[in-house]
Amino acid sequence: AQRVTQPEKLLSVFKGAPVELKCNYSYSGSPELFWYVQYSRQRLQLLLRHISRESIKGFTADLNKGETSFHLKKPFAQEEDSAMYYCALKNQAGTALIFGKGTTLSVSS
Amino acid sequence: DGGITQSPKYLFRKEGQNVTLSCEQNLNHDAMYWYRQDPGQGLRLIYYSQIVNDFQKGDIAEGYSVSREKKESFPLTVTSAQKNPTAFYLCASSQNTREAFFGQGTRLTVV
Repeated sequence: AQRVTQPEKLLSVFKGAPVELKCNYSYSGSPELFWYVQYSRQRLQLLLRHISRESIKGFTADLNKGETSFHLKKPFAQEEDSAMYYCALKNQAGTALIFGKGTTLSVSS
Repeated sequence: DGGITQSPKYLFRKEGQNVTLSCEQNLNHDAMYWYRQDPGQGLRLIYYSQIVNDFQKGDIAEGYSVSREKKESFPLTVTSAQKNPTAFYLCASSQNTREAFFGQGTRLTVV
């Protein structure tokens, strides 16, 4: 079965602290994974995808096939990082995205 | 302004009524999707369409119907068979599932 699990509903950190948003997946074969972000009053948008191995707004995510994880990390959180974060997996047919339940990140000063 | 547009932003429906949510895109994307977003549930796929005149059921299609008569448009009808229709509905489009572009969403409330 294809599934994305984000175990934390809410993650609260202080400004400047490291952040790790967890994402685990269940998939047969080589997965294609994404992180999407939804800032307050804005539409959901792509943050990064594992294929491009990019760093956006200081965030990185490494695919760990052994642990079936794709955790999102940032060394120093900023208040503007406060948002809802969704991990997503392209389905086996390659036709749609399967989303996790999301994690709300709250960064306070 | 290019992108994906959902209308209306807010919609109220009486129990037993059908209601149609609009989704239009001018990105020339082949694929379009409808997701339902509930607190604590994440995004769940209702229907998707890879090409005009073709669409497939997602994980929670019961009580919903769609059409894809034009590339730009993918309306979603919430029928009276949907037992719990109050939710936030998101439409998206993509080209080869590389990146999904989302609309602003429609909040449907049953009164």
